Amino acid sequence: AQSVTQPDIHITVSEGASLELRCNYSYGATPYLFWYVQSPGQGLQLLLKYFSGDTLVQGIKGFEAEFKRSQSSFNLRKPSVHWSDAAEYFCAVGTNRDDKIIFGKGTRLHILP
Amino acid sequence: EAGVAQSPRYKIIEKRQSVAFWCNPISGHATLYWYQQILGQGPKLLIQFQNNGVVDDSQLPKDRFSAERLKGVDSTLKIQPAKLEDSAVYLCASIRGTGHYEQYFGPGTRLTVT
Repeated sequence: AQSVTQPDIHITVSEGASLELRCNYSYGATPYLFWYVQSPGQGLQLLLKYFSGDTLVQGIKGFEAEFKRSQSSFNLRKPSVHWSDAAEYFCAVGTNRDDKIIFGKGTRLHILP
Repeated sequence: EAGVAQSPRYKIIEKRQSVAFWCNPISGHATLYWYQQILGQGPKLLIQFQNNGVVDDSQLPKDRFSAERLKGVDSTLKIQPAKLEDSAVYLCASIRGTGHYEQYFGPGTRLTVT
């Protein structure tokens, strides 16, 4: 069965600094990978997804993520964060066998002014 | 296109009471999911429908939770009787159909059981 680990529960960065949120997955075959963002009181919004092809994927709001099969990782990056990026970020993994995805426990991002 | 709609947005009930949540997916989306998100955790799948049939309800506590999607469009999730540990955000999501993996989420219903 697939699983997702987000090792950082909280991350604090200064506004304008770069960001990297870590995600490791466990799945025997090629996974489908997602990053979602959840602002307070809101549902989840898809930032980006990886199904196949180029391992560096671009998403909305200036985010990108890189799929590294050898490390079973799909880390999320942004070169310069804005105060509005403060939110909770969820990594998720799915497969091509069903239409379900499994979420990590999330990383809460705090932005210092 | 309109997004996934959920109501109510907030609900406070006492333990042992019953509660129902409603979800209307994006028009034309065949697959609908209900998730439970406890504070500090990621969403956990409760039940998955495809059209009006249940695909997976293995994580649904069937002694107190029930869900239906009678006409294959909107869906209701019910808890009866509620327990303190049911306090959570209940999220509804939908996808267009099999093989379309991007799930679209509603705003959620925050349930507080006192």
